[in-house]
Amino acid sequence: GAGVSQSPSNKVTEKGKDVELRCDPISGHTALYWYRQSLGQGLEFLIYFQGNSAPDKSGLPSDRFSAERTGGSVSTLTIQRTQQEDSAVYLCASSSGLINTEAFFGQGTRLTVV
Amino acid sequence: DQQVKQNSPSLSVQEGRISILNCDYTNSMFDYFLWYKKYPAEGPTFLISISSIKDKNEDGRFTVFLNKSAKHLSLHIVPSQPGDSAVYFCAASRVEYGNKLVFGAGTILRVKS
Repeated sequence: GAGVSQSPSNKVTEKGKDVELRCDPISGHTALYWYRQSLGQGLEFLIYFQGNSAPDKSGLPSDRFSAERTGGSVSTLTIQRTQQEDSAVYLCASSSGLINTEAFFGQGTRLTVV
Repeated sequence: DQQVKQNSPSLSVQEGRISILNCDYTNSMFDYFLWYKKYPAEGPTFLISISSIKDKNEDGRFTVFLNKSAKHLSLHIVPSQPGDSAVYFCAASRVEYGNKLVFGAGTILRVKS
C-alpha cells in the first residue's frame, strides 16, 4: 500500500485478555517502530526493528509486551493479560532505514481495556 | 529521563501571525532532528527536519532553527493558518541508535481566526 496500515483501528478488550495489533509498513522499508500515546501524553517508544538486526526492545514496559516482524515486513505487537493502564493509542511507523530519514506513521490502533 | 523536552504544553496564536514552537534536548550526541504534526485520530505526519551540521532549514511557511550550543531547536510557522492547529512533536535521533526517534511530549497549537 501507499502508507503504513494498522489494524484494527479500534479495539476494546476485557482486562486479562490478550490482544494482537498488526502493522503493515510501507513496502521496501527496512525499519519499523512501535510507539504508544497514552491520554494527554507524548509518544512513548516501545520497540524498533531494523533489517535483520536484533530488535531494540528497550521501550517495552513489561514482559507482557512482545513484538515480532515476520519476513522483514508485517509486524505484530502482542499484549498479554491486558491491564487498564495499557489503554492507549498504539502507533506503528516505518522508514527506509537510511540514516537521517523520516519515519512515516500509521493512523494507530486505539486500545481500550475495560 | 526525558531526553527531548517540549516545555510548553500549549500555544495560542492569531491567524497570520508567527507561531514559534520550542524544543530542548539533553543528549548532545543527537545528530538529526524532526518535527511532526498530529491531528486528532490520525497518526503523526512529518513536517520538516534538520541535520546537526546545519542551523536552519526552511520549507515554505515552516522553518526549523537549531542551536547546538544551547541544545535547542525551534519551529517557526509564518503566517499561521487555522489549519495549522494540531499537536506538534519534536523528535531527535542518532545514527548510533539506529535512527530510533526520541519524541518530546508535544505542544498543542491553536491558531485563532
